Amino acid sequence: KAGVTQTPRYLIKTRGQQVTLSCSPISGHRSVSWYQQTPGQGLQFLFEYFSETQRNKGNFPGRFSGRQFSNSRSEMNVSTLELGDSALYLCASSLVGLAGSETQYFGPGTRLLVL
Amino acid sequence: GENVEQHPSTLSVQEGDSAVIKCTYSDSASNYFPWYKQELGKRPQLIIDIRSNVGEKKDQRIAVTLNKTAKHFSLHITETQPEDSAVYFCAASISGGGADGLTFGKGTHLIIQP
Repeated sequence: KAGVTQTPRYLIKTRGQQVTLSCSPISGHRSVSWYQQTPGQGLQFLFEYFSETQRNKGNFPGRFSGRQFSNSRSEMNVSTLELGDSALYLCASSLVGLAGSETQYFGPGTRLLVL
Repeated sequence: GENVEQHPSTLSVQEGDSAVIKCTYSDSASNYFPWYKQELGKRPQLIIDIRSNVGEKKDQRIAVTLNKTAKHFSLHITETQPEDSAVYFCAASISGGGADGLTFGKGTHLIIQP
């Protein structure tokens, strides 16, 4: 099976712009989670989608949003970019992501640089 | 919410020796504890995980132990090899990382000295 894929792999934006990142989960996986990775804060949970519904959200401002499509592909959007949004954005997929300890598989990430 | 502390932040060991990384968690409801290895410029890769209904799990040179009473879990790597050099992250979650997400430790940079 193909692994989790993310596009684009690299992005450079300027402050105030908005950006959309895409994630395609492993075939058959219905849960997609997004994480932000920075040297200072490490890996932080952004949100999780299952069957096109956001089930939970981490402690990030409303500028961070996402959605999931009927084929389980997911996008996340960051509006009004700030310098501090520069990070590696990782998505992870799992079968259903509910109680039962579903293993999460990570994509390669999108590295976003905000100038 | 859940808080995961990981120690040490950097660990240097001689090739062939053992390495131990320790994590503590705060939420007693957490029931799933994976460990991820991330090499420079690459994605985190799951290396081993443990559920709260077991105390120890082993996979070749890698083992994880869980003490639910003390709310801590540890990663043990024996007979370390150069390819073990990477950053290792522990994590905890209640639902298995789906709806509630994984809470990660800050990571341990493991350096294997030849």
